[in-house]
Amino acid sequence: AAGVIQSPRHLIKEKRETATLKCYPIPRHDTVYWYQQGPGQDPQFLISFYEKMQSDKGSIPDRFSAQQFSDYHSELNMSSLELGDSALYFCASSSGGGASGYTFGSGTRLTVV
Amino acid sequence: AQKVTQAQTEISVVEKEDVTLDCVYETRDTTYYLFWYKQPPSGELVFLIRRNSFDEQNEISGRYSWNFQKSTSSFNFTITASQVVDSAVYFCALSVYNTDKLIFGTGTRLQVFP
Repeated sequence: AAGVIQSPRHLIKEKRETATLKCYPIPRHDTVYWYQQGPGQDPQFLISFYEKMQSDKGSIPDRFSAQQFSDYHSELNMSSLELGDSALYFCASSSGGGASGYTFGSGTRLTVV
Repeated sequence: AQKVTQAQTEISVVEKEDVTLDCVYETRDTTYYLFWYKQPPSGELVFLIRRNSFDEQNEISGRYSWNFQKSTSSFNFTITASQVVDSAVYFCALSVYNTDKLIFGTGTRLQVFP
């Protein structure tokens, strides 16, 4: 069965650079979620999209933006990267939230040097 | 507001021991969903179980079992006869109806030694 695909798996950027993370949800899933997991931390909700519209927002820095495109894939754009942005970024998709569960991608490990 | 508490930061056991990971949640919503995820050293989040707030029936899956008690707002996870491959960080998580996002606990790192 198709899973949630995230790319790239690993990314190394320098401070003040920009990074773009991509997420391809499971077909027919209508909601995409982004989470950030710092070293030794639990995943923190960043933002979600339902049918290509932003549906909820968490502790996402202003330097970050995200969108969902017509083909339902989503991109998380991060600008002016800081060392503290180094983390594992997960994308998840769902067709009914908690009622049907969430499928997580394998994550993108971003290292800012 | 919703919250998930995993008071055990780290647990170490010897192989074949039974181990229980505690999870306490807070929510005022009557419809909610509870989850457990396993995160091995490779980093991915592996789904283990989902329960809804209307189903308090305990569940067993092989060596894994879950005890859901609404009276104490707990959703504990027990591994019977632990194995080295069970070593990972385990997260309990909550989502409530209409807000949709998952709220994670801080995780419990389980180390199983041979």
